[in-house]
Amino acid sequence: GESVGLHLPTLSVQEGDNSIINCAYSNSASDYFIWYKQESGKGPQFIIDIRSNMDKRQGQRVTVLLNKTVKHLSLQIAATQPGDSAVYFCAENGVWIQGAQKLVFGQGTRLTINP
Amino acid sequence: EAGVTQFPSHSVIEKGQTVTLRCDPISGHDNLYWYRRVMGKEIKFLLHFVKESKQDESGMPNNRFLAERTGGTYSTLKVQPAELEDSGVYFCASSQDRRNTEAFFGQGTRLTVV
Repeated sequence: GESVGLHLPTLSVQEGDNSIINCAYSNSASDYFIWYKQESGKGPQFIIDIRSNMDKRQGQRVTVLLNKTVKHLSLQIAATQPGDSAVYFCAENGVWIQGAQKLVFGQGTRLTINP
Repeated sequence: EAGVTQFPSHSVIEKGQTVTLRCDPISGHDNLYWYRRVMGKEIKFLLHFVKESKQDESGMPNNRFLAERTGGTYSTLKVQPAELEDSGVYFCASSQDRRNTEAFFGQGTRLTVV
């Protein structure tokens, strides 16, 4: 299953299938991107990050792809499990302001894993 | 090691009342951030402390919101008087690095203004 940008906030996939969550970021000057997972009643939890000098990074069952040309970020989750059900947020580390950067989050995509 | 903790986890108040949210960052983290997620929307930055100083408060909605971090340890976020549109989940995060690249989030405080 696949979501598209910020306009399709829900995604349902069958357990065991792969899922792709997409995100369009806003600032071409951002040099660092993070995917967070938020489960019900919990705060955002770091999943994987990528710097702008890379276009792909792999973790355990997760892969992040970065396309700077079109300012697009995606999170691929392989062999989804029930525990993957959550809201997923992309975030970019925006411009420096007063000597610091702050995370700018996307709207989030709710991923539901069906048994 | 304890993570970022927030209190209370839920708060329901009437319009016009005052609410104070508390955040205890990870020990040793100089950088503390407040974020808010309004229903169904993105998580938005409110402000950033470095130790006890406000580094960036550009995200604070209006002067009904007051954040403090006396002594550079825990932080409070007070909303006075609360309005209906203040409802949402307020997250606190802390990091050692002011680039916010290694930020750890608390579980959030769900605020409901009725």
